[in-house]
Amino acid sequence: KAGVTQTPRYLIKTRGQQVTLSCSPISGHRSVSWYQQTPGQGLQFLFEYFSETQRNKGNFPGRFSGRQFSNSRSEMNVSTLELGDSALYLCASSDLGDTQYFGPGTRLTVL
Amino acid sequence: KQEVTQIPAALSVPEGENLVLNCSFTDSAIYNLQWFRQDPGKGLTSLLLIQSSQREQTSGRLNASLDKSSGRSTLYIAASQPGDSATYLCAVIKGGQNFVFGPGTRLSVLP
Repeated sequence: KAGVTQTPRYLIKTRGQQVTLSCSPISGHRSVSWYQQTPGQGLQFLFEYFSETQRNKGNFPGRFSGRQFSNSRSEMNVSTLELGDSALYLCASSDLGDTQYFGPGTRLTVL
Repeated sequence: KQEVTQIPAALSVPEGENLVLNCSFTDSAIYNLQWFRQDPGKGLTSLLLIQSSQREQTSGRLNASLDKSSGRSTLYIAASQPGDSATYLCAVIKGGQNFVFGPGTRLSVLP
């Protein structure tokens, strides 16, 4: 099976812009989770989608949102970008709470 | 609130040594624990998953143990190789909730 794919791999934006990141899970996996990784805060959970419904949400402001489509692909949107949003954004897919498989990540730089 | 810590933060060993990485968590009511490795700037690679009913898992030169009652897990790497150099993260999940990650242990194996 193909692994988790994320697009784009790298992104440069300026403050105030918005960005959309995409994640395609492993075929058959219905759960997609998103994480933000920064040197200072480590890996922090953003949200999880299961069968098009947000099942869990981390402690991030409303500027961070997501959605999942019927084919389990997921998108994450960040509006009104801030410098502190610069990070590696990782998505992971799993099936019924078992092993999480991570994608390569999207490196977002906000200038 | 679940908190995960990892000791040591960094470790440098000569090639061929056996080593142990430690992971501690504050809430013992976990569903499973997963160990990952992360190479610089890359996504996470799943190494081992231990379900709450299990005590250990083995894969090749890796062995992970879990002691829920004491809130601890160890990752044992036998006969370390330079290719093992990476950051190792542990993560725990409670039923219906999201993964909580530790800060990681940065391992360097010197040739």
